[in-house]
Amino acid sequence: GQNIDQPTEMTATEGAIVQINCTYQTSGFNGLFWYQQHAGEAPTFLSYNVLDGLEEKGRFSSFLSRSKGYSYLLLKELQMKDSASYLCAVHPPYGQNFVFGPGTRLSVLP
Amino acid sequence: DVKVTQSSRYLVKRTGEKVFLECVQDMDHENMFWYRQDPGLGLRLIYFSYDVKMKEKGDIPEGYSVSREKKERFSLILESASTNQTSMYLCASSSGNTDTQYFGPGTRLTVL
Repeated sequence: GQNIDQPTEMTATEGAIVQINCTYQTSGFNGLFWYQQHAGEAPTFLSYNVLDGLEEKGRFSSFLSRSKGYSYLLLKELQMKDSASYLCAVHPPYGQNFVFGPGTRLSVLP
Repeated sequence: DVKVTQSSRYLVKRTGEKVFLECVQDMDHENMFWYRQDPGLGLRLIYFSYDVKMKEKGDIPEGYSVSREKKERFSLILESASTNQTSMYLCASSSGNTDTQYFGPGTRLTVL
């Protein structure tokens, strides 16, 4: 089976850096996705990691360690508009579907 | 840009009614998915489809059915709505090559 854990809530200050962790236990692995979801809206794709290491995309970076079953999303130069939920999703082996974590609700304060 | 649309943003129905939720994508994606999202439970997969007229049960298919008569359209049907089906319903699509799922805006369904 699959099990994904994320912190429920986090708070950070505008301009700061925040790291959102995701740990997973799966019977196989084909990649890890991060999505952003603003309140009342649909999730939007942020990043995809399939190999170990850091993927950088502007202010957002995502890191993966397959041996540790661990990923994090790093948000730099936080802006108020970054207040949202961040969903970690694991893609199990071929033929199985995504498993989404419960999401981390990030509040960015002035 | 991928566009996934859903027929309604908000819907209010009564217990026992038959409910249709429509989803359309314009990127010729093979795969389409229906999820529900509830506080504290995250996204849970109801049904998915990898091709026209194909359907597979997800994690929580009870009380739901689906239809995929055309590649671009995937419908979710609640045969007899119940109050525990009050939820946010999200449709997603993906191509067979990239696996990245693109979501529609969601339908917030309330069953009274």
